[in-house]
Amino acid sequence: AQKVTQAQTEISVVEKEDVTLDCVYETRDTTYYLFWYKQPPSGELVFLIRRNSFDEQNEISGRYSWNFQKSTSSFNFTITASQVVDSAVYFCALWGPGANNLFFGTGTRLTVIP
Amino acid sequence: NAGVTQTPKFQVLKTGQSMTLQCAQDMNHEYMSWYRQDPGMGLRLIHYSVGAGITDQGEVPNGYNVSRSTTEDFPLRLLSAAPSQTSVYFCASSYSRDGGYTEAFFGQGTRLTVV
Repeated sequence: AQKVTQAQTEISVVEKEDVTLDCVYETRDTTYYLFWYKQPPSGELVFLIRRNSFDEQNEISGRYSWNFQKSTSSFNFTITASQVVDSAVYFCALWGPGANNLFFGTGTRLTVIP
Repeated sequence: NAGVTQTPKFQVLKTGQSMTLQCAQDMNHEYMSWYRQDPGMGLRLIHYSVGAGITDQGEVPNGYNVSRSTTEDFPLRLLSAAPSQTSVYFCASSYSRDGGYTEAFFGQGTRLTVV
């Protein structure tokens, strides 16, 4: 069975603070892919990152970084020096060949206060 | 290159009416899927397709039908609308790469209200 848990329903931070969004997943597949998406107030879904299960290197893209830990089945997302434009709902998602489709967590709503 | 196009953007239906949400992609992707988004529940998969002529049920398929006669189109049919189907619907497409699933490309969404 595939499952993605985002325990943080809502987070508020003050601008320029760092914030980490947690994602814990469950899968029986040995090969799988993890994703993060952003949904700003306008409603579209914006792809942020795709990571396969064999690549445990952390990734950094500007103010965004991702920490993948297979041992704890977690794929956490950190925003450094948050900005108001980061206010959005963030979704973690999992794809594995067993189910052959994309499972989403329930999302974390991030509010950055100026 | 339009990507994934969903129509309509907004729709109000009366209980019991039927309608079709349209989804088209011009990227020659083999995977297409429909999700619904409800507050606090994330995106839940309704139906998906791994190629023309092949469809399968997702997590919440009841009350919906799909077909995939071409690679480009994947319409979602509501057979007899119910208030519980009030939601935002997203269509997505993707393709296989490196033995797995690439990022999903999403349409802009359809906000459906059933009264």
